[in-house]
Amino acid sequence: SQQGEEDPQALSIQEGENATMNCSYKTSINNLQWYRQNSGRGLVHLILIRSNEREKHSGRLRVTLDTSKKSSSLLITASRAADTASYFCATNQGAQKLVFGQGTRLTINP
Amino acid sequence: GAGVSQSPSNKVTEKGKDVELRCDPISGHTALYWYRQSLGQGLEFLIYFQGNSAPDKSGLPSDRFSAERTGGSVSTLTIQRTQQEDSAVYLCASSLLPGKGSEQYFGPGTRLTVT
Repeated sequence: SQQGEEDPQALSIQEGENATMNCSYKTSINNLQWYRQNSGRGLVHLILIRSNEREKHSGRLRVTLDTSKKSSSLLITASRAADTASYFCATNQGAQKLVFGQGTRLTINP
Repeated sequence: GAGVSQSPSNKVTEKGKDVELRCDPISGHTALYWYRQSLGQGLEFLIYFQGNSAPDKSGLPSDRFSAERTGGSVSTLTIQRTQQEDSAVYLCASSLLPGKGSEQYFGPGTRLTVT
């Protein structure tokens, strides 16, 4: 079964607005990663946050992690049309594989 | 340098036929992963290779699925006697280091359609 669950499943906003996506998981993790997928093909790694970190920034991306609530959020500020994609969180629980959520489909309207 | 490559990009096969999917990881990456993504779904882990260690096959859905990695580089995922439910995008990823969720670099995937 999927470990991470993204919320919402789909999000549609206007260009320039901020987009927030959430991810919940069930077991202890070493780290949590966010990936982007365009057109249902290869995934692109966005950011990794370790279990002892609470917040991390990369450009227009801000990720938070709350291990007490087993949740993470991804914030994309000043969204652009090119941000339209599916976003997945993935957790690593000590094994080598990543466990992915179902993803959030983000649409940025011009 | 070159990223992860996969071939073919698309494969249509008849039910009952065998298929082979190929993955070329990034040179020097020691870890290689196969995932499957059904339409509109998240990624499902299939198998993981690390160096000369025995692969982690815990995600393979049935004994019709097998994979090998030759010389610590190229990997082939084989599906025997394909079924319609095998239709999905098969994604390969590699990472430089095996430990604890290092960033994985994904290939473009192979879209498999079983008719």
